[in-house]
Amino acid sequence: DGGITQSPKYLFRKEGQNVTLSCEQNLNHDAMYWYRQDPGQGLRLIYYSQIVNDFQKGDIAEGYSVSREKKESFPLTVTSAQKNPTAFYLCASSPYTANLYGYTFGSGTRLTVV
Amino acid sequence: AQTVTQSQPEMSVQEAETVTLSCTYDTSESDYYLFWYKQPPSRQMILVIRQEAYKQQNATENRFSVNFQKAAKSFSLKISDSQLGDAAMYFCAYRRGETSGSRLTFGEGTQLTVNP
Repeated sequence: DGGITQSPKYLFRKEGQNVTLSCEQNLNHDAMYWYRQDPGQGLRLIYYSQIVNDFQKGDIAEGYSVSREKKESFPLTVTSAQKNPTAFYLCASSPYTANLYGYTFGSGTRLTVV
Repeated sequence: AQTVTQSQPEMSVQEAETVTLSCTYDTSESDYYLFWYKQPPSRQMILVIRQEAYKQQNATENRFSVNFQKAAKSFSLKISDSQLGDAAMYFCAYRRGETSGSRLTFGEGTQLTVNP
């Protein structure tokens, strides 16, 4: 079955460490997105990519980095510059030319700073 | 920039009754789409219903329907015959229509409790 896989489900980071969250899709979608979810704040866009080797900053990109070397993969690195990284992270994808269909979401990664 | 507002952080409903969740949005665009997503305790985001702005007819999916008021920029979700499985966080979302691959902008969410 086609879908989006996020791994790991739970991730613990020590102060000063960089960590990378994985997002892989086999839906042949061109566009991919990373959102952060905090209680009471809905989903906020971190980065998105509409095509391989290209990506744009979202609303809260500081302290994060991404790459899009393959159509199927859009990993998110949470760097030590992100001062409050504890949150739930959601990856999503959509067909480039079909805004009607919204997103397909992964199951998320819960990141905790220890 | 587009904004989406959900003014009800929490709502509750008795099983089998009807509840309406509110959503307003702000945009200067004429071509756009609106969505309601459900996030149960598993935290998996599930698309509930969508509406194209150019369609006057309100979308319906089984027990879920919307009241789309384009001039008022309002997009409420009505859940009829509420079931225990409807308990979840509900997010309203907006997406521009003209730009391919455009982002979704989400509201803050409404936590729905269904009482037996």
